[in-house]
Amino acid sequence: QSVLTQPPSVSAAPGQKVTISCSGSSSNIGNNYVSWYQQLPGTAPKLLIYDNNRRPSGIPDRFSGSKSGTSATLGITGLQTGDEADYYCGTWDSSLSDVVFGGGTKLTVL
Amino acid sequence: QVQLQESGPGLVKPSQTLFLTCTVSGGSISSGGYYWSWIRQHPGKGLEWIGYIYYSGSTYYSPSLKSRVTISVDTSENQFSLKLSSVTAADTAVYYCARETRAAGAHYFDYWGQGTLVTVSS
Repeated sequence: QSVLTQPPSVSAAPGQKVTISCSGSSSNIGNNYVSWYQQLPGTAPKLLIYDNNRRPSGIPDRFSGSKSGTSATLGITGLQTGDEADYYCGTWDSSLSDVVFGGGTKLTVL
Repeated sequence: QVQLQESGPGLVKPSQTLFLTCTVSGGSISSGGYYWSWIRQHPGKGLEWIGYIYYSGSTYYSPSLKSRVTISVDTSENQFSLKLSSVTAADTAVYYCARETRAAGAHYFDYWGQGTLVTVSS
């Protein structure tokens, strides 16, 4: 059972938009910044979003992040088959004094 | 471009100690400003943070693994290492090393190694 809650899977057609939610509490998302990671099959996770909504150099603006209260959302527009991957949210939990991640969401581009 | 590479045995016997090393290139651990972490992923499961070390040798471990984890650094070799004692089958996972950025409320892993699968089995 992960501290942060993500839907197990989402799907959408190529070219469409999808959002992935990440729900937490005041001890984690509510008072700390959220990061998002993309894990393509058989590879290491890759940083997509940090500080809730900032993109590292080289990450296309099709990827966006937002946060409201104790929830965060990853948005992906103009879906491509190459976006099929597992996506994880992560943050610091001040009560647990631990890094926490969501359970991951598998994106299928139909 | 910072690169990280894990190395170590892929098979460890139950009750023994797992030992992995992460070699960093394209950047110096000694330059400071970043934390150097270990993260693992059980087969088909999500991510679990193990702990970090700073170039000074300061460490912090996840409370869930704290009693069995030791992370050390060798700045002369630009490497840091993980020791996990008394392993069981539940420690079978892909182990990643990563560079971690921490600031006031901000926290993320921006560079990752490719990962190494460690299987605990007799």
